[in-house]
Amino acid sequence: EAQVTQNPRYLITVTGKKLTVTCSQNMNHEYMSWYRQDPGLGLRQIYYSMNVEVTDKGDVPEGYKVSRKEKRNFPLILESPSPNQTSLYFCASSAGLAGRRGTQYFGPGTRLLVL
Amino acid sequence: GDSVTQMEGPVTLSEEAFLTINCTYTATGYPSLFWYVQYPGEGLQLLLKATKADDKGSNKGFEATYRKETTSFHLEKGSVQVSDSAVYFCALSDQSNYQLIWGAGTKLIIKP
Repeated sequence: EAQVTQNPRYLITVTGKKLTVTCSQNMNHEYMSWYRQDPGLGLRQIYYSMNVEVTDKGDVPEGYKVSRKEKRNFPLILESPSPNQTSLYFCASSAGLAGRRGTQYFGPGTRLLVL
Repeated sequence: GDSVTQMEGPVTLSEEAFLTINCTYTATGYPSLFWYVQYPGEGLQLLLKATKADDKGSNKGFEATYRKETTSFHLEKGSVQVSDSAVYFCALSDQSNYQLIWGAGTKLIIKP
């Protein structure tokens, strides 16, 4: 089954404790992306990657890191989480660019609470 | 820069009512337009899309027409069901096609 998986689905942590949210897709997609969803703000892109070893900042990259060492995986790293990073996070992938060719497929989301 | 504006929710309707969720955009060039839906507890999934002016996207009884003259892409459905309760997001691809620009989302509640 074609899918994007994220782990963990729920996470409670404390300020400053490094964490990683994993994302994996089994569709051989080139393009992957991380979003955060906050009430009234819709989705905001954190980082995206157009292929292995190619990553770029989205609209709200501060406080986050990503890596793309393999095509299928795109982990999101919070080196020193802060309460303002409490949010619902989504990973997405697409076969081509996000626009005309690339329907984005979303993971189920990771709900993060930073105390 | 490019932007998408959606009507604020929540929108509450009775089953079998007619639905319109407004979406307008500002963009340079000729973006593609999308509606994504997020059911409770799930990730987003593509509902429909249109890639050029006057195109109509349709899926699951929902329709939206790409209107360049009014820069709109309103979502419509003739008869909604309780199972349509979800959050609906309008989005456009930016000129580079690298990213999607998202509206804030509209929560739809359908009462039996």
